[in-house]
Amino acid sequence: GQNIDQPTEMTATEGAIVQINCTYQTSGFNGLFWYQQHAGEAPTFLSYNVLDGLEEKGRFSSFLSRSKGYSYLLLKELQMKDSASYLCAVLDSNYQLIWGAGTKLIIKP
Amino acid sequence: ETGVTQTPRHLVMGMTNKKSLKCEQHLGHNAMYWYKQSAKKPLELMFVYNFKEQTENNSVPSRFSPECPNSSHLFLHLHTLQPEDSALYLCASSQGTENTDGQYFGPGTRLTVL
Repeated sequence: GQNIDQPTEMTATEGAIVQINCTYQTSGFNGLFWYQQHAGEAPTFLSYNVLDGLEEKGRFSSFLSRSKGYSYLLLKELQMKDSASYLCAVLDSNYQLIWGAGTKLIIKP
Repeated sequence: ETGVTQTPRHLVMGMTNKKSLKCEQHLGHNAMYWYKQSAKKPLELMFVYNFKEQTENNSVPSRFSPECPNSSHLFLHLHTLQPEDSALYLCASSQGTENTDGQYFGPGTRLTVL
């Protein structure tokens, strides 16, 4: 079966750095997405990785290793507004999105 | 209006009621989706429409009935629901069903079935 694993919850301190991991086992791979979802709001697109390596976008970076079935989202200089759930999703061989259950990130002052 | 909108944002209904959820996208996309989001679970894909035609029905019970009159509008008709159907129902759209540009989500309808 297809599976996406990410931690259920993480806590970090304002101003610090946090890394949210995602491992996947899917039938084929056509890319990996990270979405941010604040409570009661729509998931919003953060990043898309299809090649190995690190992609940086401001305070957020996303890394992919296809051989290891592994990705992480790196958030730097954490702000209180970064408190949200972070969803990992893989595009499989049929171009269907397979979703993880999300990681709830709690930022403390 | 921009992006993807959903109405109502909150809905409480009894098990014998009939209600409908509405979704509208203003992005010029061709594909639209209904998802169910329950706490601590992955998004569950329910239905997919591409150019108004239903291309996916992920074994969803018949008490959920989708309707897509055109590429911009999507409805989810609800009848005789069960308490376990209480969840956040998200609508999304994408340029095409290959999803390589990602999906754009509405804010969802928080449904409570009593």
